Amino acid sequence: GAGVSQTPSNKVTEKGKYVELRCDPISGHTALYWYRQSLGQGPEFLIYFQGTGAADDSGLPNDRFFAVRPEGSVSTLKIQRTERGDSAVYLCASSLGGGLTTQYFGPGTRLTVL
Amino acid sequence: RKEVEQDPGPFNVPEGATVAFNCTYSNSASQSFFWYRQDCRKEPKLLMSVYSSGNEDGRFTAQLNRASQYISLLIRDSKLSDSATYLCVVNLGGNKLVFGAGTILRVKS
Repeated sequence: GAGVSQTPSNKVTEKGKYVELRCDPISGHTALYWYRQSLGQGPEFLIYFQGTGAADDSGLPNDRFFAVRPEGSVSTLKIQRTERGDSAVYLCASSLGGGLTTQYFGPGTRLTVL
Repeated sequence: RKEVEQDPGPFNVPEGATVAFNCTYSNSASQSFFWYRQDCRKEPKLLMSVYSSGNEDGRFTAQLNRASQYISLLIRDSKLSDSATYLCVVNLGGNKLVFGAGTILRVKS
């Protein structure tokens, strides 16, 4: 079946601009996660959704970052006033439930802020 | 101190070699443990879960030592296709995975 999909695959923007990154989870998966991976590092947790609600947003670095999942399926990660330090690969994952269920990752969106 | 620490490598080994990676984690409340594999410019993929009793999947063996807060991965009879970054991952019991920075493996013919 279809895996997690993310669009765009690459995004280049200028410092100060607003960007939206989209994640389409595996059908039927109620849990959705966003991670950020910088070069040479492992992914770092940003936010977790169970259904439509953000159950844990403790990893969001500051208030420029926001994510939504209005219908409990597709999610959008929004970054305002982008900074060069936001450049990274943004990974989305989904799982059947929360807790200890296996997380399946999408291919990521490579964000470059010039 | 990082929550999950790994030797970054790279480990350069010939085909057919046996190679072992180690990982330590700092939070004794960690509840589940995994090894993920990540190919260059690709997403992480679950390789195997790690259990206290140790578990094996073909050429791959994972071990967990809770007392020492230490996880290992052993790869026997290395193949060229095993070349990748291996990520040690723990779950604290909530819903977020905590990743190590990864160990690079290069298998050469």
